[in-house]
Amino acid sequence: GDSVTQMEGPVTLSEEACLTINCTYTATGYPSLFWYVQYPGEGLQLLLKATKADDKGSNKGFEATYRKETTSFHLEKGSVQVSDSAVYFCALSDRGSTLGRLYFGRGTQLTVWP
Amino acid sequence: DTAVSQTPKYLVTQMGNDKSIKCEQNLGHDTMYWYKQDSKKFLKIMFSYNNKELIINETVPNRFSPKSPDKAHLNLHINSLELGDSAVYFCASSQGGVTGELFFGEGSRLTVL
Repeated sequence: GDSVTQMEGPVTLSEEACLTINCTYTATGYPSLFWYVQYPGEGLQLLLKATKADDKGSNKGFEATYRKETTSFHLEKGSVQVSDSAVYFCALSDRGSTLGRLYFGRGTQLTVWP
Repeated sequence: DTAVSQTPKYLVTQMGNDKSIKCEQNLGHDTMYWYKQDSKKFLKIMFSYNNKELIINETVPNRFSPKSPDKAHLNLHINSLELGDSAVYFCASSQGGVTGELFFGEGSRLTVL
């Protein structure tokens, strides 16, 4: 079945460091890929998405490129800020499904120190 | 205006009790969900309703019963609460399913003592 595997955390960085959170997926169809972010005490919110191979999603300085050949959707940011401290979830949605079902990775906790 | 709102935000109760969590969305979406997040932040879908019709039921114990009185509301009732039910429960909504983008509520933290 469809699934997502993302790197385990926690990840601890100093402000202005580079960030990469790895995400790979397994899907039988042609999924859409997402990164969601959960700030402390809040629900998840969409950070970025890509709906087809080679698409690049970007938002708030974060980027991820849909790589079909490596089945990956790694999240990157060149210079993190303290305010980026959160839990990041990679997710996929099978576009063949009309149910809007998302398969989430286990989440990666990011802590950024000043 | 909160797009997806859940009540209560915190719930502390004894084993064996029955409790409900309510969810409302004002986005005009036709699909709503309940997700359970455990202490390790793992998110697992429990139920999904589309226009008041149950479409996803993920091997959840019968003690959990969702109810959707209309497409803007999806409530979760839990009977005979157990320690393992302690978690954060998230309600979410989406428009159709093609894009897969979900809008989440802030969560309801349930603690069973």
